[in-house]
Amino acid sequence: SYELTQPPSVSVSPGQTARITCSGDALSKQYTYWYQQKAGQAPVVVIFKDTERPSGIPERFSGSSSGTTVTLTISGVQAEDEADYYCLSTDSSDTSVFGTGTKVTVL
Amino acid sequence: QVQLQESGPGLVKPSQTLSLTCTVSGGSITSARHYWSWIRQPAGKGLEWIGRIYTSDNTNYNPSLKSRVTISLDTSKNQFSLNLNSVTAADTGMYYCARGFYPRMVWTEWGRGILVTVSS
Repeated sequence: SYELTQPPSVSVSPGQTARITCSGDALSKQYTYWYQQKAGQAPVVVIFKDTERPSGIPERFSGSSSGTTVTLTISGVQAEDEADYYCLSTDSSDTSVFGTGTKVTVL
Repeated sequence: QVQLQESGPGLVKPSQTLSLTCTVSGGSITSARHYWSWIRQPAGKGLEWIGRIYTSDNTNYNPSLKSRVTISLDTSKNQFSLNLNSVTAADTGMYYCARGFYPRMVWTEWGRGILVTVSS
């Protein structure tokens, strides 16, 4: 089955930059979306279609794509950004696939 | 603004069928602009997409669950449902219903989730 691979954890100090990668064979052909999930809450979309930021999401969140790897970047990390982050894409059978998830810890 | 609310039993016995309902308010379940989906999350683990329905009969399921899953619409109640049969302890977790905008399978509005435990 299709898999999207993320690092299990990323630690960053306040004000620094966090980068979370998501790798998958089909990512060069399909859009990727990024979710933020805080403890006890449902996930929220922070990046659409690789690079677009929904209204209401802070500018410090950005997305990029290169080949089969997409990256979520959080610039100037704040304590409130501590959460789990998941990428989401679609495979060749038109099924949704979530990434393995990355826990971001703000030191 | 659309709201989604999951409901159903919080405890299901092994080998039985898990049945959940998602009630949608502020939007029509028959909209041709939207997908309706179920997603789950075992405690302390990642998100797993279960499947989705579009209009009344267009469904697609996670291949790993396909043999056990059915998602359906109840247009009279503006609800959609999940049935997962032959459950085991591995099916324990938080179950979310969600909405996405056709044709993009990105789940933009979510319910708060319902915790389902499989145990005898």
